[in-house]
Amino acid sequence: NAGVMQNPRHLVRRRGQEARLRCSPMKGHSHVYWYRQLPEEGLKFMVYLQKENIIDESGMPKERFSAEFPKEGPSILRIQQVVRGDSAAYFCASSLSGESGNTIYFGEGSWLTVV
Amino acid sequence: AQSVTQLDSQVPVFEEAPVELRCNYSSSVSVYLFWYVQYPNQGLQLLLKYLSGSTLVKGINGFEAEFNKSQTSFHLRKPSVHISDTAEYFCAVSDQKAGTALIFGKGTTLSVSS
Repeated sequence: NAGVMQNPRHLVRRRGQEARLRCSPMKGHSHVYWYRQLPEEGLKFMVYLQKENIIDESGMPKERFSAEFPKEGPSILRIQQVVRGDSAAYFCASSLSGESGNTIYFGEGSWLTVV
Repeated sequence: AQSVTQLDSQVPVFEEAPVELRCNYSSSVSVYLFWYVQYPNQGLQLLLKYLSGSTLVKGINGFEAEFNKSQTSFHLRKPSVHISDTAEYFCAVSDQKAGTALIFGKGTTLSVSS
């Protein structure tokens, strides 16, 4: 039973390019969460999605960032016109349902480096 | 809104010594509490969680945590650590209402040396 799969694991982009990070949740999970991890800052919540719906995007920067979780296929976190400050580890997690006591399972992360 | 404070950013200990990683939370509503561990260059793995019932929660790898509502704390403990416990530990909180995401503390780096 595969866990949460993220790709790419490492991504290098020049300033101004676009970055697309993909996340396939655990089998049977329909709830996906994206977090960003910066050194010394821990994990910051970005967005919570259910299939075809954004449930909570309170942690998403207002510009350049978007996320989707289509009916078919992985969840995508898209960063347009990347800047050096976007360099971070981006973690995806999934859960079976939206019940808040449910365990959420994390992927191994995607490390974005903007040069 | 909830918040989590992990009081120590780094905790160095010797092998076989006991350890306590401190976590305090702030919330105006009832919450669930979690501890996750992150090994270098990996994702987070759940150690234990408190939902209800007994305030002492036992998790994997010999860890346990105690929920103290009056002190709004959820400290993580292990009576005897191993080198392999070296990792970053995150405390997290979520609102008991459905559809809310986990909010994490900044993490505590546990370094175990021989």
